Amino acid sequence: DAGVIQSPRHEVTEMGQEVTLRCKPISGHNSLFWYRQTMMRGLELLIYFNNNVPIDDSGMPEDRFSAKMPNASFSTLKIQPSEPRDSAVYFCASSPGQNNEQFFGPGTRLTVL
Amino acid sequence: GENVEQHPSTLSVQEGDSAVIKCTYSDSASNYFPWYKQELGKRPQLIIDIRSNVGEKKDQRIAVTLNKTAKHFSLHITETQPEDSAVYFCAARVATGNTGKLIFGQGTTLQVKP
Repeated sequence: DAGVIQSPRHEVTEMGQEVTLRCKPISGHNSLFWYRQTMMRGLELLIYFNNNVPIDDSGMPEDRFSAKMPNASFSTLKIQPSEPRDSAVYFCASSPGQNNEQFFGPGTRLTVL
Repeated sequence: GENVEQHPSTLSVQEGDSAVIKCTYSDSASNYFPWYKQELGKRPQLIIDIRSNVGEKKDQRIAVTLNKTAKHFSLHITETQPEDSAVYFCAARVATGNTGKLIFGQGTTLQVKP
């Protein structure tokens, strides 16, 4: 099993640019979570999907952030326009059920200049 | 909403000693408490978890205890080794709405000195 796959692993962009982060969950997992990790705020849940449907997006910081899950094997997190304060590591995690263990991907380190 | 407090923020021990990390949670209905280990530059990985129907769980050198009345749970690592050095996160599952949502503590940086 390849585990949760995220791309890109590193992204450096300039303020105002659009950023798209991608995630492929573990096959058969029906819950997918997007987290953001910073030194100041720790590990924060941004949004999560169950069976491709967004269940809780209360952690999405503002309208500049959006997430989609068009099918069971793919999700995107988009930031438009990006700002320097968005710099963080973004993790995607998947779970075989929303009450089961969450498996994290390797993360995407985003730097917004 | 659910809140999870974790202490200490940093912990330094000598190799072979024990390490204890403590967490408290606010939602008395929470029923699942995982612990994650994150090595530098790596992803968080589950090392042990406990559900609210048990008070203690062990896995080799790692154990977790849960006190539902006091709403706190702890991670115990015995005979620490340098490879135990990492950041450890506790979490509690939000019970309301059966959402599966985890609230994480702020993390404890554990340093094991050889």
